[in-house]
Amino acid sequence: AQTIHQWPVAEIKAVGSPLSLGCTIKGKSSPNLYWYWQATGGTLQQLFYSITVGQVESVVQLNLSASRPKDDQFILSTEKLLLSHSGFYLCAWSRGQGPEVFFGKGTRLTVV
Amino acid sequence: QQKVQQSPESLTVSEGAMASLNCTFSDGTSNNFRWYRQHSAKGLEVLVSIFSDGEKEEGRFTAHLNRANLHVSLHIREPQPSDSAVYLCAVTGYQNFYFGKGTSLTVIP
Repeated sequence: AQTIHQWPVAEIKAVGSPLSLGCTIKGKSSPNLYWYWQATGGTLQQLFYSITVGQVESVVQLNLSASRPKDDQFILSTEKLLLSHSGFYLCAWSRGQGPEVFFGKGTRLTVV
Repeated sequence: QQKVQQSPESLTVSEGAMASLNCTFSDGTSNNFRWYRQHSAKGLEVLVSIFSDGEKEEGRFTAHLNRANLHVSLHIREPQPSDSAVYLCAVTGYQNFYFGKGTSLTVIP
């Protein structure tokens, strides 16, 4: 069975500090991978997607970057956090362009 | 870009009464429509996926899609207090998901 694991579960970071959020998918080779973000009270927005290792497409610009260093790993990062980066980050995967997308449990980020 | 709007923003129902949630979208050519439930510590749980006009039932959850009216609804039969959560409508195209802001459902015992 496929599993998706996100880390950390929650993080409190200072403005201007770096950030790295991780996501690992086990049990599925060559998944499509996605990062989503939801500001408190806001709409869930897709940030990035990746269909293969080393290839990442940006959907929404938020001064964040994403990388896919391995087939089963997706990293979201920035060198300098902004207050506006606070929110809930979700990683997800799908089988190619298959109809179902499976979400991780998310990371709650608070920037202070 | 696809615009997705959900109503109502919040809904309170008594246990056992039908709960109905609505979602409208701006582009009817999108491929798929899904309803998710969001629990704070559990990420997103897919409830129903629907691709064709009409009705799709998954357990106590039934989705109705009408592309011509740009509308998809979710009906929860015999809701329980454990169904209290935020419900998200998602409209999907190629590699992109568009979500509504959600409906916060509270089920009172």
